[in-house]
Amino acid sequence: QKEVEQDPGPLSVPEGAIVSLNCTYSNSAFQYFMWYRQYSRKGPELLMYTYSSGNKEDGRFTAQVDKSSKYISLFIRDSQPSDSATYLCAMRDTGRRALTFGSGTRLQVQP
Amino acid sequence: EAQVTQNPRYLITVTGKKLTVTCSQNMNHEYMSWYRQDPGLGLRQIYYSMNVEVTDKGDVPEGYKVSRKEKRNFPLILESPSPNQTSLYFCASRERDEQYFGPGTRLTVT
Repeated sequence: QKEVEQDPGPLSVPEGAIVSLNCTYSNSAFQYFMWYRQYSRKGPELLMYTYSSGNKEDGRFTAQVDKSSKYISLFIRDSQPSDSATYLCAMRDTGRRALTFGSGTRLQVQP
Repeated sequence: EAQVTQNPRYLITVTGKKLTVTCSQNMNHEYMSWYRQDPGLGLRQIYYSMNVEVTDKGDVPEGYKVSRKEKRNFPLILESPSPNQTSLYFCASRERDEQYFGPGTRLTVT
């Protein structure tokens, strides 16, 4: 079983929809959580990071962490065609600097 | 502009022919790493470096070497490439949890 599970998609939504992307993890030592966005033929870029349970908002993006359920989510409001990309969750524990990545969810926002 | 650069971007080579992929960052970051990305497997760390002359294995180090002689450069070396090393490779540098990735090197080993 992988330490981090992420549905590969593709997830296709109409423009303006609210998108929910999720990851589950098995390692309770994970304390730091990130979301990356990767456009086709590009390297991943950091969208958000959070260290605590609860919600963190940045513009149209909200990251949610539920450590008791080992579940993290990224919500995108008012989705745009430019949000079409692969979204990767990543996490690490306090003892290691290495990140463990999910395999990514491909999102397509239809105009 | 803060960036991580990699070269080459695309490489097709044959089994056993030694190759080096270069990586350079201009952010004065101490921590650098190499990943490979494969369908369904996501990003897996190959090697990382905490600082000059300090390197260590990641999750999939077999068949790879690295060196860190200068803070800005972190080349990835494949001494004897094999077809199972065909992949998309990313170099990254990091300050705390803000990690910056290079544009990727698509390697095909025939």
